[in-house]
Amino acid sequence: TQLLEQSPQFLSIQEGENLTVYCNSSSVFSSLQWYRQEPGEGPVLLVTVVTGGEVKKLKRLTFQFGDARKDSSLHITAAQPGDTGLYLCAGLMDTGRRALTFGSGTRLQVQP
Amino acid sequence: DAGVIQSPRHEVTEMGQEVTLRCKPISGHDYLFWYRQTMMRGLELLIYFNNNVPIDDSGMPEDRFSAKMPNASFSTLKIQPSEPRDSAVYFCASSFGQGNEQYFGPGTRLTVT
Repeated sequence: TQLLEQSPQFLSIQEGENLTVYCNSSSVFSSLQWYRQEPGEGPVLLVTVVTGGEVKKLKRLTFQFGDARKDSSLHITAAQPGDTGLYLCAGLMDTGRRALTFGSGTRLQVQP
Repeated sequence: DAGVIQSPRHEVTEMGQEVTLRCKPISGHDYLFWYRQTMMRGLELLIYFNNNVPIDDSGMPEDRFSAKMPNASFSTLKIQPSEPRDSAVYFCASSFGQGNEQYFGPGTRLTVT
């Protein structure tokens, strides 16, 4: 059982479309990170959110942390082929194991 | 600056053989993490170290797996004996401080036949 569930698992869209990826848990996280992983490489950090309700923007990417700090979303506007990759959310729990817990991942493919 | 360095990048071995994966973290980072990634189970934390001391090894699948960090610039993950179900990509990551950005290496793709 994954502590962090991501949806959808797979997404194939056309260039220019918008999309949203969700990261949900029943646990509270003190902070949450989003990573992108390209084939043959390790994940690379995109953003960290720490405050409930926080919204951060990174060019065409918008990240939101849920008010209760149990969920997060990543919205991409006007997707580009360069956005293709595996998107992973990772949370640091309030208590217990003080290491990041990674979500199940969303594999995004943007067709030109 | 060099990032996290892992070797080898690819390893193909026969069942029963010993496998040793190597990692050099980013200089100055005090946390080192070993992960395993498969399509079925995603990215799983195996073990992590703080200042060369193992803190949590609850993710290590079984006694066949062991990890060491003899100094701040080197860590190994050993599998002995290896089994086909160990086939995966193994990542090493390091960070400065707990819960901060983790920098991942390029991974070692292990295939056990």
